[in-house]
Amino acid sequence: DTGVSQNPRHKITKRGQNVTFRCDPISEHNRLYWYRQTLGQGPEFLTYFQNEAQLEKSRLLSDRFSAERPKGSFSTLEIQRTEQGDSAMYLCASSLSNLGTGGQPQHFGDGTRLSIL
Amino acid sequence: SQKIEQNSEALNIQEGKTATLTCNYTNYSPAYLQWYRQDPGRGPVFLLLIRENEKEKRKERLKVTFDTTLKQSLFHITASQPADSATYLCALPLTGTASKLTFGTGTRLQVTL
Repeated sequence: DTGVSQNPRHKITKRGQNVTFRCDPISEHNRLYWYRQTLGQGPEFLTYFQNEAQLEKSRLLSDRFSAERPKGSFSTLEIQRTEQGDSAMYLCASSLSNLGTGGQPQHFGDGTRLSIL
Repeated sequence: SQKIEQNSEALNIQEGKTATLTCNYTNYSPAYLQWYRQDPGRGPVFLLLIRENEKEKRKERLKVTFDTTLKQSLFHITASQPADSATYLCALPLTGTASKLTFGTGTRLQVTL
């Protein structure tokens, strides 16, 4: 079990630039999630995939954000025309599908910390 | 509106004592609840999941209770150690059995010698 891997670990960019983050989930996990976390807060749900299908996006997610999981394996999260308010830790997690009414543990990567100058 | 509350003040306890952290929620009827540990600069690490039909779950020095009437979960660490110092997050599915989770703000635990 190599765990969830995220790249890059840190990204510093100027306002208005586009950025792309990558997440490699645990290989046997079919669900992949993106969260955003700011200082002193818990992770906030952004979107999730089951295999290659994007099943849900948070209403908080601006049109400048897009995520893909083209072959049901790794995923990318792109932010276009970055703004100061986008500065945060972007976390990826993966899990197996839920069994009935029960949940599954989510396994998180160590995130990409985005800083907008 | 839906809300999850964890004590935002840090909890300071002495090594060897039992730490008890609280998670309260309103306007939810979750089918399960999860607890995670997060160290600075790292992603959350899953600790325990408890389902609505379970009153208590244990794993080594950890114990979680889930009271759906009080809408509360308690997380206990017995015989606490300095290595247990971290932020502990509770998380619930946004709707009943959904996969996507809503997290509390976390409680920072500091265990001193």
